[in-house]
Amino acid sequence: ATRITQSPSSISASTGDRVTITCRASQGISSYLAWYQQKPGKAPKLLIYAASTLQSGVPSRFSGSGSGTDFTLTINYLQSEDFATYYCQYYYSYPPSLPFGGGTKVEIK
Amino acid sequence: QVQLVQSGAEVKKPGASVKVSCKASGYTFTGYYMHWVRQAPGQGLEWMGWINPKNGGTNYPQKFQGRVTMTRDTSISTTYMELTRLRSDDTALYFCARSTTITHGLDYWGQGTLVAVSS
Repeated sequence: ATRITQSPSSISASTGDRVTITCRASQGISSYLAWYQQKPGKAPKLLIYAASTLQSGVPSRFSGSGSGTDFTLTINYLQSEDFATYYCQYYYSYPPSLPFGGGTKVEIK
Repeated sequence: QVQLVQSGAEVKKPGASVKVSCKASGYTFTGYYMHWVRQAPGQGLEWMGWINPKNGGTNYPQKFQGRVTMTRDTSISTTYMELTRLRSDDTALYFCARSTTITHGLDYWGQGTLVAVSS
């Protein structure tokens, strides 16, 4: 089965910083990757799908890139409301599955 | 507006079953997949499978095959997730979430249902 490694598991940053989170798949998954933000006690929020398509209503400081095995979520000019945990979710077709990465907690430095 | 409203918290004993509901409104129920995702306390997200409300087709990861069943009632725009043979490590917050296609991300989520398994 395809495995994905999300890194780092946590990162300390300040408002205004650029933050980069990576998901690496053990084999190619085309562009079938989504990114979510989750705050404590809340449901996750879809940020990006198809690796780089910004979900409607999501600020443009969030961006996604990559295809195949390496994917990146970038947050430019980190805002106070961006401190949260971020997850990637990928799709692979055999067997059909949609597992999540392990998560990255973005904390205040 | 799109809403997914889940049933209330449950407390179950080991070995029992639980059935959680997710009522959809604000969109065409049969036009979107419904997924179930759970999150154990302090842990990450775990995808449990999907159901296609249009035809009732389901897909579960191997981990849950034989223990989870997802169904739907199109007359009331509601999907259900039943988990059997509960163990203490099934204690988690269970979410339903919809997607337009399998590969376009889960764009609307329910509020979550806490299932606690304890003797």
